[in-house]
Amino acid sequence: AQSVTQLDSQVPVFEEAPVELRCNYSSSVSVYLFWYVQYPNQGLQLLLKYLSGSTLVKGINGFEAEFNKSQTSFHLRKPSVHISDTAEYFCAVSVRTDKLIFGTGTRLQVFP
Amino acid sequence: DSGVTQTPKHLITATGQRVTLRCSPRSGDLSVYWYQQSLDQGLQFLIQYYNGEERAKGNILERFSAQQFPDLHSELNLSSLELGDSALYFCASSVDPPSEQFFGPGTRLTVL
Repeated sequence: AQSVTQLDSQVPVFEEAPVELRCNYSSSVSVYLFWYVQYPNQGLQLLLKYLSGSTLVKGINGFEAEFNKSQTSFHLRKPSVHISDTAEYFCAVSVRTDKLIFGTGTRLQVFP
Repeated sequence: DSGVTQTPKHLITATGQRVTLRCSPRSGDLSVYWYQQSLDQGLQFLIQYYNGEERAKGNILERFSAQQFPDLHSELNLSSLELGDSALYFCASSVDPPSEQFFGPGTRLTVL
């Protein structure tokens, strides 16, 4: 079975500072990896995905993530955050790109 | 806007009642997924339909059922509702084979 661990439930950061949201996964087979963002009272929006190929993945809104197979990690990064990045971020895995297994989420709070 | 629509947006009902949540996938998507988001369980996969047939089942209670109709819209039926069923219910759709899932805005169910 697969599982996802998001180590930080909350990450406070000041505007224009860099941020990293951590995600580790567990699986005995190859997985596909995703980061979704959920703004208050909204649905989930895909930020980026890793299916294969380059381990550095660029997504929307200036976010990127790096797939590290040896460390079973898929950390999300942004070099300079904005107030509008305040949201809940979910890491997810799937096998053969079917059902998604989500982590518990990380609340990113950006302060002015 | 993901192209996935869900109705109703909000639903308030009493324990013991039955409700139906509706989802229309993006045009051309044959797969529909249902997820439940609650404070104690997080985001959990419930069930997947592909072109009218059940394809995968997750942590879906026996009191819950779903179906996908010939026009590809899907309904999630929740019966004998309990307080603990209060949650946000998301529908997602994808092409096949899927490279990502597109989420609807969700239906917030409150059981009083």
